[in-house]
Order: sequence, then C-alpha cells, then structure tokens
Amino acid sequence: GAGVSQSPSNKVTEKGKDVELRCDPISGHTALYWYRQSLGQGLEFLIYFQGNSAPDKSGLPSDRFSAERTGGSVSTLTIQRTQQEDSAVYLCASSLAGVGGYTFGSGTRLTVV
Amino acid sequence: GIQVEQSPPDLILQEGANSTLRCNFSDSVNNLQWFHQNPWGQLINLFYIPSGTKQNGRLSATTVATERYSLLYISSSQTTDSGVYFCAVVGYQLIWGAGTKLIIKP
Repeated sequence: GAGVSQSPSNKVTEKGKDVELRCDPISGHTALYWYRQSLGQGLEFLIYFQGNSAPDKSGLPSDRFSAERTGGSVSTLTIQRTQQEDSAVYLCASSLAGVGGYTFGSGTRLTVV
Repeated sequence: GIQVEQSPPDLILQEGANSTLRCNFSDSVNNLQWFHQNPWGQLINLFYIPSGTKQNGRLSATTVATERYSLLYISSSQTTDSGVYFCAVVGYQLIWGAGTKLIIKP
C-alpha cells in the first residue's frame, strides 16, 4: 500500500483480556518495527523484524507480549492478559532494509480499563 | 552507543515566527531522519537527510555529518506546526532524541 496501515485505530479492552494489533507495512519494505508511546513519554522500542532473520525481541516488556510477521509482510502484536500499564499508543514503522528512512503508521491507541 | 541530543527542549513562539531546532549526535552516522509528532500523536516523516540540505515548503533541514549535527528550520510558523519534533539516527535501530516540544500561539 501507499503507507503503513495499522488497525484498529482505537481499542478499549478490559483488564485481563487479550488484544491483537495489526500492522500492514509498505509493500516491499523488509524492515518492520513496533514501538509504543505512553502519554507524555518518548518512543519505547518493542520488536524489530528484518527480512527472514530472527526478530529482535529485546524490547518486549514481558512474556505477555509477542509479535509475528507472516510472509514478510503483515505483522501482529499480541498482548495477553492486558494490564492497565499496557495502555499506550502502539506504533508500527517500516523501511526498505533500514535504508531510506522509516515511515510510521497512525498507531493504535490501546486503553485498558 | 550513539547519543542523540536535541535542543531546545521546549519552544513557544507566536504565529509567523521562524525557528531553528538542533540535533547533535555523538558519532558519525550515515542516516538521519526528522519527524513531527502532532498533538494527536501521529508521527509524520519530515525529512530523511543523511547530509546536505532539503526543503519542503516552509520547512527545510540541513545535516552536516562531519560536524555531527542537523538543523530543522521552520519559517512563518503556523499553529498546525505545534507538536514535538524528533530527530532519529537511522541504522539497525532508530536512535531517538528526546524531542523539541514546539507550541505556536495564534
């Protein structure tokens, strides 16, 4: 597609429920990042996919968080047993093998109540 | 690792004013990117500028890689320019500065 697409744009969930966030990167982009940003804070790196290499999961805050990227394209970030501290905007970005800059999606605003 | 510092941290201007935002980085870099995060949280790519100067409307950016800094110029500021401006070094990971929070008053 023309840009990075994320869905849903907003998600309100009850504490303890699982959520799935989707990212559809720009076609042909091999690198894909997930970040999150809590209110008033900077961007926190979560996970990085590059082509067929093993993802860099070093930023995932706990084992409740997982992500996959199917066929080198669409990525899904899953948060199990959500907690209130998971409330944040989750941003996805893609680039062409880390070259030429990154393009961000509009984000998913997750609210855990 | 590479450190990225931005200045000033906060800037309040009247509509119509010009501004210069600075990004210093601690080591040689091949790629640098400027972003604008608007008050609704959306991150917008402004410039991918590893070196030289680029212009897009009222915005322009210059990176002097040998001296390890980049500047973002905003001319004739509008209220819609408000938000946080980030620079990031582009490599294996994006290494972010802390941002400059810009408020344009009408």
